Amino acid sequence: GDSVTQMEGPVTLSEEAFLTINCTYTATGYPSLFWYVQYPGEGLQLLLKATKADDKGSNKGFEATYRKETTSFHLEKGSVQVSDSAVYFCALSESGTASKLTFGTGTRLQVTL
Amino acid sequence: DGGITQSPKYLFRKEGQNVTLSCEQNLNHDAMYWYRQDPGQGLRLIYYSQIVNDFQKGDIAEGYSVSREKKESFPLTVTSAQKNPTAFYLCAITRQGSTEAFFGQGTRLTVV
Repeated sequence: GDSVTQMEGPVTLSEEAFLTINCTYTATGYPSLFWYVQYPGEGLQLLLKATKADDKGSNKGFEATYRKETTSFHLEKGSVQVSDSAVYFCALSESGTASKLTFGTGTRLQVTL
Repeated sequence: DGGITQSPKYLFRKEGQNVTLSCEQNLNHDAMYWYRQDPGQGLRLIYYSQIVNDFQKGDIAEGYSVSREKKESFPLTVTSAQKNPTAFYLCAITRQGSTEAFFGQGTRLTVV
């Protein structure tokens, strides 16, 4: 079945550092890929998405590129802020829409001054 | 205020009791989902419904039940058969054909 593997956290960075959170996936078809963010005590918010190979999703300074050849969707940000501290989830949807998302285990990011 | 509302935010249950979590939406989205979140395990799908009066089991449906009598409501009952119900429960909605899921704020259930 489908699966998503994320790098384990927590990831601790100083403010303005470069962020990479690795995400790889296994799927039988051509899934859509997503990054969601969860702030403490809250639900998930969609951060960015990509629906086909070589698409780049971007939002709030975060970027991720759909790499079919490496089945990856790594999240990057050039300069993190304390307010970026949260848990980040990589997810896929086999059906091509947001139906029945398969999530990774989440990566906690802690940004310090 | 439009969106998706889960209630209550915190819920305590005694062992052996059934408890129902509420999920309501006013965005007229077709599909609704229940996920369970445990520390270090990400989210796992419990049940989902794509139309009124129809729903399907997800990956971990045992010990849970749902109903979809109205488009805007998808309550989840955690029954006494669920062996380890303490978790954070998230409801989500999607519009047909959309690539974006909207999540509620979650309900944290604790068995005491």
